[in-house]
Amino acid sequence: EAGVAQSPRYKIIEKRQSVAFWCNPISGHATLYWYQQILGQGPKLLIQFQNNGVVDDSQLPKDRFSAERLKGVDSTLKIQPAKLEDSAVYLCASSPRWLAFQHEQYFGPGTRLTVT
Amino acid sequence: AQSVTQLDSHVSVSEGTPVLLRCNYSSSYSPSLFWYVQHPNKGLQLLLKYTSAATLVKGINGFEAEFKKSETSFHLTKPSAHMSDAAEYFCVVSDPGSREDTGRRALTFGSGTRLQVQP
Repeated sequence: EAGVAQSPRYKIIEKRQSVAFWCNPISGHATLYWYQQILGQGPKLLIQFQNNGVVDDSQLPKDRFSAERLKGVDSTLKIQPAKLEDSAVYLCASSPRWLAFQHEQYFGPGTRLTVT
Repeated sequence: AQSVTQLDSHVSVSEGTPVLLRCNYSSSYSPSLFWYVQHPNKGLQLLLKYTSAATLVKGINGFEAEFKKSETSFHLTKPSAHMSDAAEYFCVVSDPGSREDTGRRALTFGSGTRLQVQP
């Protein structure tokens, strides 16, 4: 089966500019996650969707970050305006089950964002 | 609340020698535990997972981990390192949370251990 797709793979922007990332999860996976991975650290959850509804966005900086998952399939993550500390890899993951927390998540290759 | 601590940020071994990557976790409930590997410029890949079945879990590429509840540990081992094992390894915890948290299935990652394999 095809894996989680993300684009673009790399993005360089100046601070205060806007940027958007796209994710296409594995077909049939109802749960979608966005993580932020700063260099030298483990990934940190930004937002979790169940179908097209938000389950957890408690760690999303809502003053500048937004995400949507229209129709419960693809998702976009936007940063507006970007700050230097937003430089990181943004990972998208999907999972086939909701309450079954034992199921592992499948990760995309990530988008590496550099803010100058 | 759940958390995970990887005790070594860097581990260096010689090819053919054993690998030990240490992980301790904290969880309010019976957690699921995972090890993920991240090769440079590649996505995270699941190595193995523990989900309350056998405490000794076997994964891909000869890796295994043992869940020790009394020690709250989930160390990753491999009998003989290969050059291709050089990567970043993450210990990860996921617990079912409280009744109010049902649906929140995010993973909590450790800070990672970089494994170097010397020829």
